[in-house]
Amino acid sequence: GESVGLHLPTLSVQEGDNSIINCAYSNSASDYFIWYKQESGKGPQFIIDIRSNMDKRQGQRVTVLLNKTVKHLSLQIAATQPGDSAVYFCAELNLRNAGNMLTFGGGTRLMVKP
Amino acid sequence: NAGVTQTPKFRILKIGQSMTLQCAQDMNHNYMYWYRQDPGMGLKLIYYSVGAGITDKGEVPNGYNVSRSTTEDFPLRLELAAPSQTSVYFCASSYSLAQEYEQYFGPGTRLTVT
Repeated sequence: GESVGLHLPTLSVQEGDNSIINCAYSNSASDYFIWYKQESGKGPQFIIDIRSNMDKRQGQRVTVLLNKTVKHLSLQIAATQPGDSAVYFCAELNLRNAGNMLTFGGGTRLMVKP
Repeated sequence: NAGVTQTPKFRILKIGQSMTLQCAQDMNHNYMYWYRQDPGMGLKLIYYSVGAGITDKGEVPNGYNVSRSTTEDFPLRLELAAPSQTSVYFCASSYSLAQEYEQYFGPGTRLTVT
């Protein structure tokens, strides 16, 4: 079946720098693309989403970019902090699927160096 | 609200044993989900439910069973534990509306089968 994947398994950045986490997707019929953050020993936590008819959405210190031409999704974190250290997953949602099921990618580990 | 709660936090099973992973939510969500997460991997959907009395298979249902007798509870049953079921199990829930699809995750149950 179609799936969501990630380019980089591990990303190491200096505190204060900006981070960019990338994701490739293959299902162009998805309605939403979502980023989740998973801290060690915890369940995933919703960060931000973007509807498929948008190309950019901003939150607090985070921006998600969607490039439908190349089926690419990215999460930008401004002024990365130690608390941002976690595994980040992209996921996609097709509202025509029963139960609002999400398809998750494999995750990128973000390590913030002090 | 407690959100999504899971018990136990950790469990070690011998091959062939059975157990039930408990999941409860107090947000009056119609939709509930069970995922497994293998080390360094993303989440794979085991089963989901769109309401009390209704369950359906996800991507990896073999070796598991679920029931949904109430809106609040969604237990996952392993009948004959196998080493391949060693994983971290996450329960999640969400509203049923398309514009409120965000899934809220529990803290997970770490299961080891030896």
